[in-house]
Amino acid sequence: RKEVEQDPGPFNVPEGATVAFNCTYSNSASQSFFWYRQDCRKEPKLLMSVYSSGNEDGRFTAQLNRASQYISLLIRDSKLSDSATYLCVVTFYNQGGKLIFGQGTELSVKP
Amino acid sequence: IAGITQAPTSQILAAGRRMTLRCTQDMRHNAMYWYRQDLGLGLRLIHYSNTAGTTGKGEVPDGYSVSRANTDDFPLTLASAVPSQTSVYFCASSGTNTGELFFGEGSRLTVL
Repeated sequence: RKEVEQDPGPFNVPEGATVAFNCTYSNSASQSFFWYRQDCRKEPKLLMSVYSSGNEDGRFTAQLNRASQYISLLIRDSKLSDSATYLCVVTFYNQGGKLIFGQGTELSVKP
Repeated sequence: IAGITQAPTSQILAAGRRMTLRCTQDMRHNAMYWYRQDLGLGLRLIHYSNTAGTTGKGEVPDGYSVSRANTDDFPLTLASAVPSQTSVYFCASSGTNTGELFFGEGSRLTVL
């Protein structure tokens, strides 16, 4: 089992829809959590960090549930420009803080 | 523009050949990483370096080697390329403990 797992999708949604992605991790010695965005054939870029209390950045909300070992990303009022692959990233205390990526969830927002 | 530069951006290589992917950053970041990205498998860590002079193995290190002679450069070498090493390779760096990785634009390698 991979240490970080995501539903690969694709998620096909209309503009204006709300969409949520989940990501589970198997190692309880987790340290930090992030969501990255990757556009087709481009490099990944940090979307937002995920804090224990949850955090929001405009239309994006990230949540962390340590007890159940998952993080989530909620996108409200989807835009065409949100179409991308969203990568869940976790670092673990017992792995020297290395960032471990999920396989990514593809989102396609349609007009 | 500051950031990470990878070279080459694309390469076709015969199996058995030696290949070095170059990575240079000008942000004075201590930590650098090499990932490969394959369809359905996401980004997998090959090797990493927490600081100049040290390196470590990631999730899929076999068939690859790295060196970190200075802060800026982190080359990845395939001693004898095999078709299963066909992939997109990303170099990345990080500075403080924010967890933010800065990626290069990737090197697309095809081994025939």
